Amino acid sequence: AQSVTQPDIHITVSEGASLELRCNYSYGATPYLFWYVQSPGQGLQLLLKYFSGDTLVQGIKGFEAEFKRSQSSFNLRKPSVHWSDAAEYFCAVAYNTDKLIFGTGTRLQVFP
Amino acid sequence: EAQVTQNPRYLITVTGKKLTVTCSQNMNHEYMSWYRQDPGLGLRQIYYSMNVEVTDKGDVPEGYKVSRKEKRNFPLILESPSPNQTSLYFCASTRGQGSNEQFFGPGTRLTVL
Repeated sequence: AQSVTQPDIHITVSEGASLELRCNYSYGATPYLFWYVQSPGQGLQLLLKYFSGDTLVQGIKGFEAEFKRSQSSFNLRKPSVHWSDAAEYFCAVAYNTDKLIFGTGTRLQVFP
Repeated sequence: EAQVTQNPRYLITVTGKKLTVTCSQNMNHEYMSWYRQDPGLGLRQIYYSMNVEVTDKGDVPEGYKVSRKEKRNFPLILESPSPNQTSLYFCASTRGQGSNEQFFGPGTRLTVL
C-alpha cells in the first residue's frame, strides 16, 4: 500500500540551529509531494510542494525541501530555526489523484 | 478571500445523537474531502467528492456519511456518533484535475461522550 513515513515523532532544536525533517514515501511512481505545517490549535498551511522539475523546492517561511528519487525522500530543511517554527509538520504525497496520503507528523519544539 | 470554512469549530455531544459538520468553499473547487486527525496517525481521508452528486469512500468511512448537492458545500454527517469518532476533522478542497494543492479548513474538534 502507498504510505508515507516520518521517522521522527518529536524533534527538539535550539533557536538558530539548522533543521531537517525526514520524509520517505513507499516505492512507486514519483508522486506529488507536499509539506504542511500545523501550528497549535490551527489548521494546515502548505509550506511547499514538488510536482516536477528542479528537485530543490523553496517554500514559505524560509523552508526548502529536496526531492531525492533514489532515496524516495523529500526532506524538509531550514538553515536557522525561529521560536515561531514550533509546530507539527506533515509530509504528504498524492499519486495522480487528488487524495493526499499523510505521514504521521513530526512535532518540532524550539528552545531559546 | 479564498477560503474553506467549517462549522462548528468545537462540538461536544453524546453517543447516538446525530450531528452534521458543515464545510463550504468559495473557490469553485470540484474536489472536496474530509479527513480526521488522530495523535500518532496523521490525517486519514474519510470521504471525498469529485463533483456535485459524486462521492466515494476514503480510507476510514465507517460511521460517516456525506452529500454533495452543491459545488460549494460538502457536509459530514454522523448518524449515530460513538466515542471512537472523537477526533479533529478537516475539510479540504482543490481544483481537481491533478492540481493536487489542497486548501484546508480550520478544523472541527469533536468530542463524543
